[in-house]
Amino acid sequence: KAGVTQTPRYLIKTRGQQVTLSCSPISGHRSVSWYQQTPGQGLQFLFEYFSETQRNKGNFPGRFSGRQFSNSRSEMNVSTLELGDSALYLCASSLAPSGPTGELFFGEGSRLTVL
Amino acid sequence: AQSVTQLGSHVSVSEGALVLLRCNYSSSVPPYLFWYVQYPNQGLQLLLKYTSAATLVKGINGFEAEFKKSETSFHLTKPSAHMSDAAEYFCAVSDEITGNQFYFGTGTSLTVIP
Repeated sequence: KAGVTQTPRYLIKTRGQQVTLSCSPISGHRSVSWYQQTPGQGLQFLFEYFSETQRNKGNFPGRFSGRQFSNSRSEMNVSTLELGDSALYLCASSLAPSGPTGELFFGEGSRLTVL
Repeated sequence: AQSVTQLGSHVSVSEGALVLLRCNYSSSVPPYLFWYVQYPNQGLQLLLKYTSAATLVKGINGFEAEFKKSETSFHLTKPSAHMSDAAEYFCAVSDEITGNQFYFGTGTSLTVIP
């Protein structure tokens, strides 16, 4: 069974540009979450989508947005990039909508460098 | 609000020695607790999870953790460290309210000395 797939794995952008990251969850998983990982802040929750609806949103500015498609694939977008947006962006999928079996399965991440 | 504190951002042990990584949580409702491991340039892999069943949880690669409600702790242990255990370890908490919104600790980097 294929795991969570994230593309691209690495990308370099300049300040002011925008970026779109893609995530394909494990087959059958309908919940997709996004996390930002930086050395200083650790993993910070961005948002979660379930059945194409955003269920939860973390404390990030409106420049960070996402969406989920009918096949559960998800994208996140960051507009007007800042140097501080340089991070590893991790996507995680889950079989259960919530609760005790809500284990997260992570992809390998998309490493974004903003110059 | 939920939160996780991992004491010690860096831990070094000798090969064959006991591994102890500390995690304390804060949660206003019964928590679900997780330990994840991250190897360089990879995503996170689940080691073990506590979901209100047995308080002593056994995971993969010989790791285990004990949920202690009175101490609000969920420390990770392994009796004998192996070189392949060198990695970053993250403790995380969620609950019925936050669902799939996990709160992670800042991680502990484990070094195994041959």
